[in-house]
Amino acid sequence: AQTVTQSQPEMSVQEAETVTLSCTYDTSESDYYLFWYKQPPSRQMILVIRQEAYKQQNATENRFSVNFQKAAKSFSLKISDSQLGDAAMYFCACNDMRFGAGTRLTVKP
Amino acid sequence: DTEVTQTPKHLVMGMTNKKSLKCEQHMGHRAMYWYKQKAKKPPELMFVYSYEKLSINESVPSRFSPECPNSSLLNLHLHALQPEDSALYLCASSRGPNEKLFFGSGTQLSVL
Repeated sequence: AQTVTQSQPEMSVQEAETVTLSCTYDTSESDYYLFWYKQPPSRQMILVIRQEAYKQQNATENRFSVNFQKAAKSFSLKISDSQLGDAAMYFCACNDMRFGAGTRLTVKP
Repeated sequence: DTEVTQTPKHLVMGMTNKKSLKCEQHMGHRAMYWYKQKAKKPPELMFVYSYEKLSINESVPSRFSPECPNSSLLNLHLHALQPEDSALYLCASSRGPNEKLFFGSGTQLSVL
């Protein structure tokens, strides 16, 4: 079984600034994948970024990047140049597609 | 077509009713999922189908009955629900294990 923990229920960032959302996980799998999903007020869940555990290089998708620390079982999401449209719930997940509790991100203009 | 289509978008039912939620995808995905999401909570995994066979049932009450008639279609049959079952029901699909999930827009269910 796998567990995913998000310890920040809410975060706030100024528009154009950078924010980091935290996620820790625990798994007995040797090969696994980690995901960040975004759920805006429309409630449409979309994938933000995916990291393969066997890859040492951190995944990047435009303004979104991860800091993957395998030994620490940490998988944080960095959002650069935050935009109003980034305001949403962010959920991290492991292989088994069970989500953490989520972090609500507010972007202030 | 990169969409997962869920119908209906809204559903109100009584505790004695029988209804079904429908989910459809035409991306050739072989894994399909049902989630339940209460307000301000994360989606909770309910069922997973892999290659049209039920692979995960998260100890969901039998008043929820999933069905996967073919690789493109996933149903959730509802019977004798309780008011606490009111929630957003999300369907998702993926090419396979460890692949990204594509989500539908959900069915908002209210049980009276």
